[in-house]
Amino acid sequence: NAGVTQTPKFQVLKTGQSMTLQCAQDMNHNSMYWYRQDPGMGLRLIYYSASEGTTDKGEVPNGYNVSRLNKREFSLRLESAAPSQTSVYFCASRGTSGGIGELFFGEGSRLTVL
Amino acid sequence: GEDVEQSLFLSVREGDSSVINCTYTDSSSTYLYWYKQEPGAGLQLLTYIFSNMDMKQDQRLTVLLNKKDKHLSLRIADTQTGDSAIYFCARGSGATNKLIFGTGTLLAVQP
Repeated sequence: NAGVTQTPKFQVLKTGQSMTLQCAQDMNHNSMYWYRQDPGMGLRLIYYSASEGTTDKGEVPNGYNVSRLNKREFSLRLESAAPSQTSVYFCASRGTSGGIGELFFGEGSRLTVL
Repeated sequence: GEDVEQSLFLSVREGDSSVINCTYTDSSSTYLYWYKQEPGAGLQLLTYIFSNMDMKQDQRLTVLLNKKDKHLSLRIADTQTGDSAIYFCARGSGATNKLIFGTGTLLAVQP
């Protein structure tokens, strides 16, 4: 079972470069999320997509854009990377029909901006 | 507010019990969750509790919920070195379909 797959796993960028983090889930989940994890800050929500065709800002959206390409895929784009965006990024998905509403996470993408 | 607070670090000896605490400000969640993150990996659901329960036990894990004080705890009995990880509590955020996470508690188990 693949679950939630993120690419790339590691990336080093120079300030001002752009890149896109890709995420795909194979669990037919409606909702998808992008979080960043920084030491002592826990997980902070960047953007989320409650269902295909919708996206909403989370706690820390500045400097990011997202695209919900279809039900499976949710990408995160950094248009002009800054050192403050050095972090570990996690994609997650969640089913909304019944169940306990748990999030399923990818393994993370470690981004360094020099 | 949507704050979920945890202490950052806990150190215990192998075989002892560990208690990780969490406080939150918004009590509208249906479920509260504990996630575990092992080094270099994503988060995985460890256990959860329904908001109308006070306690849930699952093998070595005991979750206590004090709704009056908005306090959630995770007790790990007979802690093993394999329990060393970061533990996050999380709650649902009303109708917005988000999960709000705490800062995470790094549990270090000394042999």
